[in-house]
Amino acid sequence: QSVLTQPPSVSGAPGQRVTISCTGSSSNIGAGYDVHWYQQLPGTAPKLLIYGNSNRPSGVPDRFSGSKSGTSASLAITGLQAEDEADYYCQSYDSSLSGPGVFGTGTKVTVL
Amino acid sequence: QVQLVQSGAEVKKPGASVKVSCKASGYTFTGYYMHWVRQAPGQGLEWMGWINPNSGGTNYAQKFQGRVTMTRDTSISTAYMELSRLRSDDTAVYYCARDPRIAARPGNFWFDPWGQGTLVTVSS
Repeated sequence: QSVLTQPPSVSGAPGQRVTISCTGSSSNIGAGYDVHWYQQLPGTAPKLLIYGNSNRPSGVPDRFSGSKSGTSASLAITGLQAEDEADYYCQSYDSSLSGPGVFGTGTKVTVL
Repeated sequence: QVQLVQSGAEVKKPGASVKVSCKASGYTFTGYYMHWVRQAPGQGLEWMGWINPNSGGTNYAQKFQGRVTMTRDTSISTAYMELSRLRSDDTAVYYCARDPRIAARPGNFWFDPWGQGTLVTVSS
């Protein structure tokens, strides 16, 4: 049902770098709409991580970075830490009947 | 600080309705759009719609058209989401979430902060 596709899971050892992709289409990311990212720790509400493709809210560590190109976007986590183990979701705006608010399928990040 | 506090968990029978509240504090309630998002157990996030607390205008996801009603009471800075004709697959945690852009036009929105969530269980 989600119109933005993410890998179900990614993993990495502490200190490593992991990336999460978010693939959309011409009615959302490809149309120029921004991508935003959220972190959801177990049993808690989602928390804004990145807005406007690459901007970090105050308080979010600079280990988290976002980028966008064409119909896709990516979230990178460098210097992976145990506390980063969580679910991550991308979100954008969609001009089709699927929208306008659309989320990615979600990615579980596991710290080995 | 900006805070959204939601009402408590609900258990409803199929066919009934549920109304979830979201009380805002720490900012001017009428200045920012409020959205509702739900998450079924073990599943991803699903956008339901938004309300403009200033005008009361709404925009609902096509999936929920005819079953969802979003309202607000500006005197108590509270937004509401009512879902009718409940089915078992409506069992989910329902979140309110603010668009942090002041007086923004809908489009390119994002969500910050989020309420703590309200579990709605639909079971006979």
